[in-house]
This record gives sequence, structure tokens and C-alpha cells, in this order.
Amino acid sequence: GAVVSQHPSWVICKSGTSVKIECRSLDFQATTMFWYRQFPKQSLMLMATSNEGSKATYEQGVEKDKFLINHASLTLSTLTVTSAHPEDSSFYICSARDHETPLGEQYFGPGTRLTVT
Amino acid sequence: GIQVEQSPPDLILQEGANSTLRCNFSDSVNNLQWFHQNPWGQLINLFYIPSGTKQNGRLSATTVATERYSLLYISSSQTTDSGVYFCAVEGGGADGLTFGKGTHLIIQP
Repeated sequence: GAVVSQHPSWVICKSGTSVKIECRSLDFQATTMFWYRQFPKQSLMLMATSNEGSKATYEQGVEKDKFLINHASLTLSTLTVTSAHPEDSSFYICSARDHETPLGEQYFGPGTRLTVT
Repeated sequence: GIQVEQSPPDLILQEGANSTLRCNFSDSVNNLQWFHQNPWGQLINLFYIPSGTKQNGRLSATTVATERYSLLYISSSQTTDSGVYFCAVEGGGADGLTFGKGTHLIIQP
């Protein structure tokens, strides 16, 4: 149980284009989902918290107009990187928390590797 | 925000050895998780342990919340235990996990 999927697993796009990443909780409902970013040889950094039916909360330094987050259902959150540039190349990982345990464990997806050329 | 420090940053051991990884955090937490990141980047949940002690096979973890630290024990190490181990916490009134910088563990045959 507690499986989170992400799609795509990797993507290469040209500078200036937009890319959408999906995060799904497969066997539980998630009121809250999170998006993290990991640069090579570094740790994970929280980008934003996504709550179903409301606007996402972004961490300091994360541009909300560049990283659009939508959490339209209890099992799906999307991250759209708009007008991507090479510095946006990174590993993006989502997590989800079971709505029945609002302060509980987070379950992570397998990640999406984005390369902007 | 909450600070998380992991030690040691790197650890090289022979197969069969035991190891202890430490995680210190700066504030009270309602969530603490240990992860193993595999070579493909996937985070494997090892423990959800905001307090107390848990064991799962060769791995065990202890969190002493009042003293703001957690320990991950790996016994009888195997080469497949190699990788990066992260501690992450959630607390201080904020949502979302704050990760430590990780411990890079190498188990040599």
C-alpha cells in the first residue's frame, strides 16, 4: 500500500517550453501533496505544499508563476514548469500524505528527471 | 526554519560491519522519517519515527524527541546497503519535510 507514481520519469525539453509533471497517489487519498527538488549531489529541498482544492503554498525563493501547481483531486497533483531554462534542470520528486493521517508519514514518488537544453 | 544535521557525511565500511547514523534537529518535530535513496533516485521509506524505537530486519531506529536526535542502526552491512541515507523532519508549525544533507554509505565486499 501507499504507492505514489509520477509521470513522466524523465523529460528533455527545449529552453522556453513548458513541461507538466503528474503525481498520483494510487491506493490512498491525499489531501496534501508536496513537491521537492534535488540538484546533483545535493539534498532535497521543499518547493511547495499542495492542498486539494486550494492554492499551493510556495517556499521562499520559489517562483510561483514559474512553477504552477494544481491539486484538483484527492489523488492527483501537477507541477508545470513554465518557460523552462537550463537552470531548471533538476530531479523533481513529489510526496503525498494519507488524508486519514494529517500529521503522518509522507510517501514519495519515483521522481522526474528534467533536462532543459 | 528547522535545521537538520546528519553525521557522518561519508562512511566506508566492510561487509558485515555495523554502523550508526545520526540526525540532530533544532526544534520539536511531529514527523521524522529515514530514507535510503537508491541509484535511480527513488526514496525508500525506512522508518517513520517521530519518537521511540522501531526495528525492521537488520535496520533499527531510535528517536529521542526531548533531546532532538535520531539514530539509524544498520547491522551486518551488505553491499546493497550502499547509497545515501537521509533524515527528514517536519515541525515548528510548518508543513513539508526538511531534509538533512545525508550520509553517503559505501559497503565494500
